[in-house]
Amino acid sequence: GAGVSQSPSNKVTEKGKDVELRCDPISGHTALYWYRQSLGQGLEFLIYFQGNSAPDKSGLPSDRFSAERTGGSVSTLTIQRTQQEDSAVYLCASSFVGWANNEQFFGPGTRLTVL
Amino acid sequence: KNEVEQSPQNLTAQEGEFITINCSYSVGISALHWLQQHPGGGIVSLFMLSSGKKKHGRLIATINIQEKHSSLHITASHPRDSAVYICAVPRAGSQGNLIFGKGTKLSVKP
Repeated sequence: GAGVSQSPSNKVTEKGKDVELRCDPISGHTALYWYRQSLGQGLEFLIYFQGNSAPDKSGLPSDRFSAERTGGSVSTLTIQRTQQEDSAVYLCASSFVGWANNEQFFGPGTRLTVL
Repeated sequence: KNEVEQSPQNLTAQEGEFITINCSYSVGISALHWLQQHPGGGIVSLFMLSSGKKKHGRLIATINIQEKHSSLHITASHPRDSAVYICAVPRAGSQGNLIFGKGTKLSVKP
């Protein structure tokens, strides 16, 4: 079966432009997570979706960042008015239930470069 | 003080050596996770544990909840074990909001 997929794999954009990053979780996984990893830095939590519950958005670094999950499946992370400090690898993961109980499966990531 | 601390930051070993990577945390947790990030960037979940010990092949993870400490051991290390090993714990009150250690970069020489 297919794992978690993300698109695009690479995205280069100019400062001030909006970008959308897509995540397709493993079918049947109820929990979906977004993280980012800046160059040379550790993983940073962004947002967590679990079923129909309100998402935990506490990791989003600013109001330029938003995410949605449609139909409990595909998720899109949107960054508005991108800044150079947004350059990072954005990783998506999914699990059958919440993190504390189940293994997460990671996608390959989207490398975002803001010029 | 960081909430999740790993040691060492970097580790170089010869093939066949026994490896230990440590993780200490300062928050109360329900479970701790060990992840492996390959040189190409892909991340794989190795273990999730809340008590005792788990073993998978040459990898062993232990946790001491009272001491807030976990260790990841690799027996008979191999160059293909070269990767960054990351521990992570859920932030208090959240299942999905995770606190990550900075990772331990392991290089196993043939």
